[in-house]
Amino acid sequence: GAVVSQHPSWVICKSGTSVKIECRSLDFQATTMFWYRQFPKQSLMLMATSNEGSKATYEQGVEKDKFLINHASLTLSTLTVTSAHPEDSSFYICSVPGQGFSGNTIYFGEGSWLTVV
Amino acid sequence: EDQVTQSPEALRLQEGESSSLNCSYTVSGLRGLFWYRQDPGKGPEFLFTLYSAGEEKEKERLKATLTKKESFLHITAPKPEDSATYLCAVQGTGGFKTIFGAGTRLFVKA
Repeated sequence: GAVVSQHPSWVICKSGTSVKIECRSLDFQATTMFWYRQFPKQSLMLMATSNEGSKATYEQGVEKDKFLINHASLTLSTLTVTSAHPEDSSFYICSVPGQGFSGNTIYFGEGSWLTVV
Repeated sequence: EDQVTQSPEALRLQEGESSSLNCSYTVSGLRGLFWYRQDPGKGPEFLFTLYSAGEEKEKERLKATLTKKESFLHITAPKPEDSATYLCAVQGTGGFKTIFGAGTRLFVKA
């Protein structure tokens, strides 16, 4: 079964509004979660590292005031896209590092499609 | 700076035609190299983790190998259902941050 759950799977919002995406670790606690963004036919681009109990660490070029990350608990991180614009339309994926049967692995959520109209 | 380069960008194979995908990387201390499969509109699906040069792992028609500079994903006798984008990623010893390559889009024709 799924180890990481992401919600919603897809969302359409109006330009200028804010949208929240949730990422939950189902089977274990996660002090660290990662948020990625993926444009069509492109690879995953790391946006930020979500840290439980402290501020998120953002990658260069990612606006922290636009993409608000809150690691509310050891099983939940949220990404809020504030004042969304059409260029924010993308596939957003969260991930959680963990231990699989073969050792270190990274579990991904199912992803969230955001369309800003 | 950690970097991952995958080649080719796209690969078209006939069913049963074996081939390899390449992942070249630079990282300051390797914690792990990961291979993922991604179908359109879905999150990546974990395939393998490799830790050190010389290591090999297999799963059905897939076999991943690792050297100090690159990794190969060998696909033996592929089937149309193997069509997907294959992503390579590295994690350095500095933390859990994981950097992805651009991926190889594989198309297998029946």
